[in-house]
Amino acid sequence: DADVTQTPRNRITKTGKRIMLECSQTKGHDRMYWYRQDPGLGLRLIYYSFDVKDINKGEISDGYSVSRQAQAKFSLSLESAIPNQTALYFCATSEPQGRDTQYFGPGTRLTVL
Amino acid sequence: GESVGLHLPTLSVQEGDNSIINCAYSNSASDYFIWYKQESGKGPQFIIDIRSNMDKRQGQRVTVLLNKTVKHLSLQIAATQPGDSAVYFCAESSMNNAGNMLTFGGGTRLMVKP
Repeated sequence: DADVTQTPRNRITKTGKRIMLECSQTKGHDRMYWYRQDPGLGLRLIYYSFDVKDINKGEISDGYSVSRQAQAKFSLSLESAIPNQTALYFCATSEPQGRDTQYFGPGTRLTVL
Repeated sequence: GESVGLHLPTLSVQEGDNSIINCAYSNSASDYFIWYKQESGKGPQFIIDIRSNMDKRQGQRVTVLLNKTVKHLSLQIAATQPGDSAVYFCAESSMNNAGNMLTFGGGTRLMVKP
């Protein structure tokens, strides 16, 4: 969905390196999410943010950190990447009212060697 | 723990046939369900949703059925086309979750044979 963009789309890095994945949205949504997807598994929530001042850990936050720089931007960092963090990473947004669907970005494929 | 899952990892259908993708959920408090389609190299895309006060909802060529008694959700695709080939995920949420946190199933790959 062009309304949610992620950079980079692909990244190969080495163990121990710090990596930042960025997400931007033009949907005007307050809520943003970071998910991880592994082969054969569903999406697992890493962190979520309901507004600029609200950051929450998800199911698998260990080894990750986030920054909500603005309503439209939500970054995910791997402070010291390890091989088992090799995965597809998706950013998503949703509206604050009710429990509407989440809209996903195109994903970032991260490989940690 | 509560979970959402899919029975079949791969479903192969002939072009033009109807497809049925199933999903079982275990959280009896779940009251909102979504089906997503994920094509290769793309993020999940919303297909259709249903709330627990309904047992059926129809979209364009797609129908979602909800059976709360057995905690089962299905996605029916009519006249399946090659462009329907993708991985399909169900997701659920409940009022017990903060905001609209979704729990995703593992996904079913739909392969459409010409």
